[in-house]
Amino acid sequence: EIVMTQSPATLSVSPGERATLSCRASQSISTNLAWYQQKSGQPPRLLIYGASTRAPGVPSRISGSGSGTEFTLTFSSLQPEDLAVYYCQQYSNWPLALTFGGGTKVEI
Amino acid sequence: LQLQESGPGLVKPSETLSLSCTVSGGSISRSDSYWGWIRQPPGKGLEWIGNIYFTGSTYYNPSLKSRVTMSVDTSKNQFSLILSSVTAADAALYYCAKHRVPGYYFGLDVWGQGTTVTVSS
Repeated sequence: EIVMTQSPATLSVSPGERATLSCRASQSISTNLAWYQQKSGQPPRLLIYGASTRAPGVPSRISGSGSGTEFTLTFSSLQPEDLAVYYCQQYSNWPLALTFGGGTKVEI
Repeated sequence: LQLQESGPGLVKPSETLSLSCTVSGGSISRSDSYWGWIRQPPGKGLEWIGNIYFTGSTYYNPSLKSRVTMSVDTSKNQFSLILSSVTAADAALYYCAKHRVPGYYFGLDVWGQGTTVTVSS
């Protein structure tokens, strides 16, 4: 099983600042990685797939990068509405297995 | 496209959990989609349970495989989850969701609102 590890567990950032979230895979997954945003009381929302492709409607201030085992989700200028928990998900062995990271909570 | 989970919110320990997900605004028989269940224990992260294609092909999380059965009913535009021998560890918010796969995996792009399952006698 591929284990996904996210860091930090909590990130405190001021509005307008740059923020970077990390996700590490226990083995290489190429670019088979997605990111999701989950606001309080809501289901997750797809942000990024293919490690760097934004889903429709995702603002350009949010970007994803990385390949192999190291991935990042970057906010160029954090906004108050970005308060949420962010999860990475690997799908390198789709459809046989999917695994999520433990999440990073972003505090504004 | 919208997804809506339904099923009992309370299940007794050792009994069987049964949930359904109704797809509206589109067909469950679309070739570019798989359908899945994901759960989230209170205050915790997301756990993938399994996927099903409209043809009935299924893929389960190895850690749950012995207790999970998923099925699809194309006539009702629904898919279902059965989880047997539940324990307190199975208490969670259960989501149904759609995987977008137009030849390549594009992520879980549509989610239901989730249904809370409590395990208690």
